[in-house]
Amino acid sequence: AQTVTQSQPEMSVQEAETVTLSCTYDTSESDYYLFWYKQPPSRQMILVIRQEAYKQQNATENRFSVNFQKAAKSFSLKISDSQLGDAAMYFCAYREEGGSEKLVFGKGTKLTVNP
Amino acid sequence: KAGVTQTPRYLIKTRGQQVTLSCSPISGHRSVSWYQQTPGQGLQFLFEYFSETQRNKGNFPGRFSGRQFSNSRSEMNVSTLELGDSALYLCASSFGHTGGEKLFFGSGTQLSVL
Repeated sequence: AQTVTQSQPEMSVQEAETVTLSCTYDTSESDYYLFWYKQPPSRQMILVIRQEAYKQQNATENRFSVNFQKAAKSFSLKISDSQLGDAAMYFCAYREEGGSEKLVFGKGTKLTVNP
Repeated sequence: KAGVTQTPRYLIKTRGQQVTLSCSPISGHRSVSWYQQTPGQGLQFLFEYFSETQRNKGNFPGRFSGRQFSNSRSEMNVSTLELGDSALYLCASSFGHTGGEKLFFGSGTQLSVL
């Protein structure tokens, strides 16, 4: 079974600085998708960024970018110019290629942004 | 357009009772997935429905069941509630055509079992 591991239960960053959240995963599949979701206190999960495993180019969404290392099964999230609104739980998630929408989540990293 | 709507937001039940949670997906979405979130186990996949058919199921006991209606709205039911069923239940919707689609989540139903 696929597993997702986030080794940093908590992280903190100063406003305007850069922070990197780590994620590793285990799968025997070659085609899959990886995601970072943000969960603020409102509890609603919000998609931050998405990466297809067949794409070598790292995904970027404004201040958010990933470092996808397929061979190492690593998928880290970099947040640049951190803002107070970035404070939340961040979850790394894996999904197989195919019709099912099943996501396998990591345990999450709580990010605190200090003013 | 309206987002994913989950009702109720909060629910308090006692052991042995049953509960039904509701999820209305974004208009046009045909896939609804359910997740259980607890501090100890994190986020775990319960099941997914697509066009009224269960397409995938997680590793939960038979007390957890669900269904989807022709308008894509979904309900999940938990019978004979146990204390360990206390959790945030999230649903997510998508068009459901491929495995890489963006999922849109609701704000969840917080269930407390006393």
